[in-house]
Amino acid sequence: AQSVTQLDSHVSVSEGTPVLLRCNYSSSYSPSLFWYVQHPNKGLQLLLKYTSAATLVKGINGFEAEFKKSETSFHLTKPSAHMSDAAEYFCVVSDYGRGATNKLIFGTGTLLAVQP
Amino acid sequence: ETGVTQTPRHLVMGMTNKKSLKCEQHLGHNAMYWYKQSAKKPLELMFVYNFKEQTENNSVPSRFSPECPNSSHLFLHLHTLQPEDSALYLCASKDRGTDTGELFFGEGSRLTVL
Repeated sequence: AQSVTQLDSHVSVSEGTPVLLRCNYSSSYSPSLFWYVQHPNKGLQLLLKYTSAATLVKGINGFEAEFKKSETSFHLTKPSAHMSDAAEYFCVVSDYGRGATNKLIFGTGTLLAVQP
Repeated sequence: ETGVTQTPRHLVMGMTNKKSLKCEQHLGHNAMYWYKQSAKKPLELMFVYNFKEQTENNSVPSRFSPECPNSSHLFLHLHTLQPEDSALYLCASKDRGTDTGELFFGEGSRLTVL
């Protein structure tokens, strides 16, 4: 069975400082991993995805994530936070390739606050 | 503009009402999904449709009734709901041909059951 754990429910950073949102996963297969972002009163938007190519994945808005199989982690980082980054972030694991539905398993989310 | 449009954005209903949520995707996708997002809980998959055929019902109570008349439209019919059904209902679509797992979400319908 697959699962994903987001280690922090809330993260607060100052504008201009680095962002680290932590995610650990469990999967019996080679997983596909995603980070989605949800701004207030909006739907979820894909930030980046890992599908067994390069382990360092670059996404939109300056975010990137590194797939570390030995640590079963897929942490999201950004060198310098911007006020517009304040949102909720979801780590997602998929059983891509294992069946018709390709279920996405969502983490519980990390709410990122950016202080001026 | 995400390409997936949900209406209404907000809905308040009593427990005896009947209402419907609508989702339309303009992306040419062939798979559509309903998710429920409640506070402090992970996103819950409710229903999956592939090429208009329901392929998954994640043990959803019968007071929620989905309908997919074509690959571009998805409805969620609501009847005799409970207050605990209050949540954000998200529609999503995917192109099963590319099959990277990426879902495209609408902005959601915020449902309040009184």
